Amino acid sequence: DVKVTQSSRYLVKRTGEKVFLECVQDMDHENMFWYRQDPGLGLRLIYFSYDVKMKEKGDIPEGYSVSREKKERFSLILESASTNQTSMYLCASSDTGTGSEKLFFGSGTQLSVL
Amino acid sequence: AQTVTQSQPEMSVQEAETVTLSCTYDTSESDYYLFWYKQPPSRQMILVIRQEAYKQQNATENRFSVNFQKAAKSFSLKISDSQLGDAAMYFCAYRSASNNDMRFGAGTRLTVKP
Repeated sequence: DVKVTQSSRYLVKRTGEKVFLECVQDMDHENMFWYRQDPGLGLRLIYFSYDVKMKEKGDIPEGYSVSREKKERFSLILESASTNQTSMYLCASSDTGTGSEKLFFGSGTQLSVL
Repeated sequence: AQTVTQSQPEMSVQEAETVTLSCTYDTSESDYYLFWYKQPPSRQMILVIRQEAYKQQNATENRFSVNFQKAAKSFSLKISDSQLGDAAMYFCAYRSASNNDMRFGAGTRLTVKP
């Protein structure tokens, strides 16, 4: 089974802190994604990466950055956390090629910024 | 950018009955994929069913089936013989065949009454 692991299930941070959310996948997938999930808004794409050291902005990249130094790891960085970044963050990965369109998700990190 | 709309924030169904969840999407592309994901209280996103746009035949997975209307850009999910374990958030998602990012709707919370 594909496993996508997010380092923290719950996280509480203070306004202005630098926050790192880590995600690791064990299936050698090319593509990795960060979404945030908010009630009534569904999942919104923050950033994605289709290769090591490559990144693309999604729909809501402001206030976030990402790092992909190794294929299996994709980190989401909140440079200076703000209360409006309180949310559920979901990491996902997928392979490349026909028949590989499915996303595999982690269990999410519920981040609270106080 | 493509958009996905789920117009039913909440739905409920009696156990053993049938329920249909609605989804519409907006795209100018002809080749794409559509998905329904389920998110139970555990937060783990689970793929329920997928449909390739070039296939006219509606996808079916056991009690789950879709009604894919390409011209109307509609992709509804039918759950037959509903079970208590079907209670969850359901997300409709769209992915272009030409890129790797996936877009989600706002979700429908399904309650199953015993």
